[in-house]
Amino acid sequence: EAQVTQNPRYLITVTGKKLTVTCSQNMNHEYMSWYRQDPGLGLRQIYYSMNVEVTDKGDVPEGYKVSRKEKRNFPLILESPSPNQTSLYFCASSLWEARGTQYFGPGTRLTVL
Amino acid sequence: DAKTTQPTSMDCAEGRAANLPCNHSTISGNEYVYWYRQIHSQGPQYIIHGLKNNETNEMASLIITEDRKSSTLILPHATLRDTAVYYCIARMEYGNKLVFGAGTILRVKS
Repeated sequence: EAQVTQNPRYLITVTGKKLTVTCSQNMNHEYMSWYRQDPGLGLRQIYYSMNVEVTDKGDVPEGYKVSRKEKRNFPLILESPSPNQTSLYFCASSLWEARGTQYFGPGTRLTVL
Repeated sequence: DAKTTQPTSMDCAEGRAANLPCNHSTISGNEYVYWYRQIHSQGPQYIIHGLKNNETNEMASLIITEDRKSSTLILPHATLRDTAVYYCIARMEYGNKLVFGAGTILRVKS
């Protein structure tokens, strides 16, 4: 089944404790992206990647890192999480030539205390 | 990407057609109209997109006015499972991101 998977789905952590949210897709998509969703602010893009080893900042990249060492994986790294990073996170992927048609993962609900 | 305007919420009776409007009066000639929906905190789901012509797929139909300043997403026979937030997005075909607005909350009622 074609899908985007995220792990973990739910995470409660404390300020400053490094964490990684994994994202994997099985559709051989070149393009991958991370979004966060907050009440009243909607979905906002954090980082995106056009292909392996190519990443770029979205609208809200502060406090986040990403890497794209393999085509299928695009982990989101929070080196020192803070409470303002409490949010619902989505990973998405698409073919490079069809970046408007993105497949989204199920989401990761992160709480930073 | 052009700004889009959608009603905050709409209700629809189960089994009837749901017509969701979107205004994009500043859309440029090479911007497409995309529709996504998000069912209660799940990941957004792509529905349909178009440039000028009307489009139809297994989920919905998209009607774009001749001047391209507005469009309507049509769910022909709405079910309770269609209750969701629907997003209309105007973007270049090879843009690098999707910009989601507030969307329309569609409530399908029995």
